[in-house]
Amino acid sequence: DVKVTQSSRYLVKRTGEKVFLECVQDMDHENMFWYRQDPGLGLRLIYFSYDVKMKEKGDIPEGYSVSREKKERFSLILESASTNQTSMYLCASSFGLAGETQYFGPGTRLLVL
Amino acid sequence: AQTVTQSQPEMSVQEAETVTLSCTYDTSESDYYLFWYKQPPSRQMILVIRQEAYKQQNATENRFSVNFQKAAKSFSLKISDSQLGDAAMYFCAWLNNNDMRFGAGTRLTVKP
Repeated sequence: DVKVTQSSRYLVKRTGEKVFLECVQDMDHENMFWYRQDPGLGLRLIYFSYDVKMKEKGDIPEGYSVSREKKERFSLILESASTNQTSMYLCASSFGLAGETQYFGPGTRLLVL
Repeated sequence: AQTVTQSQPEMSVQEAETVTLSCTYDTSESDYYLFWYKQPPSRQMILVIRQEAYKQQNATENRFSVNFQKAAKSFSLKISDSQLGDAAMYFCAWLNNNDMRFGAGTRLTVKP
């Protein structure tokens, strides 16, 4: 079974703090993704990576950055957390072929005070 | 831009009955994939069913089946013999290359 894990289920941070969310997958997937999930908006793509050290902006990259130093690990960084970044963050991974299913982690619910 | 619309924010079904969740999408692409994902309360999002747009035959997975109408850009999910464990948020998604678009979700309640 594919396993995608995220470093925290719940996180509380203060405005202005630097926040790291980590995601690890164990299936040797080329692609990894960070989404933000908000009620009524579904999932929106923040960034994705198709290879080590490669990254592409998604629909809502502002205020976020990412890092992929190893194939199995993809980090989302909030440089200076703001209250409007309070949300559920989902990591996903997939093989690099067209149409491959994305497998999701359990999510990190982030509250920025 | 590609968009996915789930017009039913909430649905409910009686246990053992059948329910259909609606999904429409807008795209100019001819080659793409469609998915239904299930997200139970406080649990991980998992794949329910997947459909390749080039296949005319509707995908089925046990009690789950889809009605894929490519010309109408419609992709509904039918759940037969509903069970309490089917209660969840259901997301419809469209995929082309690495561009995946999600609908806003439908919350399904199953009544015993």
